[in-house]
Amino acid sequence: AQSVTQPDIHITVSEGASLELRCNYSYGATPYLFWYVQSPGQGLQLLLKYFSGDTLVQGIKGFEAEFKRSQSSFNLRKPSVHWSDAAEYFCAVGAWQAGTALIFGKGTTLSVSS
Amino acid sequence: EAGVAQSPRYKIIEKRQSVAFWCNPISGHATLYWYQQILGQGPKLLIQFQNNGVVDDSQLPKDRFSAERLKGVDSTLKIQPAKLEDSAVYLCASSPSRQGNTEAFFGQGTRLTVV
Repeated sequence: AQSVTQPDIHITVSEGASLELRCNYSYGATPYLFWYVQSPGQGLQLLLKYFSGDTLVQGIKGFEAEFKRSQSSFNLRKPSVHWSDAAEYFCAVGAWQAGTALIFGKGTTLSVSS
Repeated sequence: EAGVAQSPRYKIIEKRQSVAFWCNPISGHATLYWYQQILGQGPKLLIQFQNNGVVDDSQLPKDRFSAERLKGVDSTLKIQPAKLEDSAVYLCASSPSRQGNTEAFFGQGTRLTVV
């Protein structure tokens, strides 16, 4: 069965510092991987996605993520965090079978300190 | 392009009452999802529709939850009777296809509080 683990419940980063949010997945074949962001009172917005090909994926708002098959990981990174990045971040995995909905991790809350 | 619309945004009800949520997906999106997001957790799929047919409702508590997508467009999710543990944000999402590599677009959600 597919599953997603986000080991960090809450992370605080200083504004301007770099960020890495961890995501580990469990899936028997090549997964489809997503990162979503949720600001308070808002729905989920897609940051980036990985389906195949280049393992380093660029997304919106300056985010990137790297797929590492050997580690079953898909960590999200940003070189310099802005105060507006404070939000909750969700990693999700999809399967190649048609009709399989996304499975989400429990999320990581990012706080940005000045 | 208009996004996924949900209403109401907030709802407070007493336990044992009934409640209904409405979702209008992005035009042309055949796949529609209802997710439940309990505070501090990630979204959990309740039900998935392809057009007006149910693809997956394995995690829907069918003794109290029901959902329909008449005519393959709008959808309603109903809870009757509500329990305290149903307090959550109910997210509707839509996608142009059922393929696993297809992005899902989310609405802003309905926050339900059961007291």
